[in-house]
Amino acid sequence: GNSVTQMEGPVTLSEEAFLTINCTYTATGYPSLFWYVQYPGEGLQLLLKATKADDKGSNKGFEATYRKETTSFHLEKGSVQVSDSAVYFCALRDSGAGSYQLTFGKGTKLSVIP
Amino acid sequence: DTEVTQTPKHLVMGMTNKKSLKCEQHMGHRAMYWYKQKAKKPPELMFVYSYEKLSINESVPSRFSPECPNSSLLNLHLHALQPEDSALYLCASSQSQDNSPLHFGNGTRLTVT
Repeated sequence: GNSVTQMEGPVTLSEEAFLTINCTYTATGYPSLFWYVQYPGEGLQLLLKATKADDKGSNKGFEATYRKETTSFHLEKGSVQVSDSAVYFCALRDSGAGSYQLTFGKGTKLSVIP
Repeated sequence: DTEVTQTPKHLVMGMTNKKSLKCEQHMGHRAMYWYKQKAKKPPELMFVYSYEKLSINESVPSRFSPECPNSSLLNLHLHALQPEDSALYLCASSQSQDNSPLHFGNGTRLTVT
């Protein structure tokens, strides 16, 4: 079956620090990969996506590269801000299972302190 | 701003009440979803509608009843819920049931007393 593994949180960083949240996956087919962000009291927002190997998704200073050889999609940002404090979910959609269900990681809570 | 609109934002209901959650999208998406999210957990899939027909029911208890009146609207009818059903209920849509991304609403925070 499909699965997504994210680094355990919570992660606490000082403002302007470098952020990496690791994400690895297993899939039966050739998945599309996503990062979603959930701010307190809100729903999930699509942060970035990649649909094939070596694609780089980017948005709001965040980046992630689809690495098929290492089955990874790590999220990075060069300089975090207090407003980036949220829960980040790595996810995939895969054709292999036939139903294209969205498989989530457990989420990583990021807190950025001034 | 989210392009998937959910109402109400908050709902408190007793175990004998009947209520409905509503979801609307105007992106022309043909797949719509209901998810349930408990605190500090990822969302869990409940139902999927594809082209206005129910395509996936993840063994959800019958006290939750989905309805898709048209391609833009999705409802979740609630009846005789239990306190453990208290959660954030998220609606989402996607272009179709393929590998395109899902777009989520801000959810309805449901409390069952």
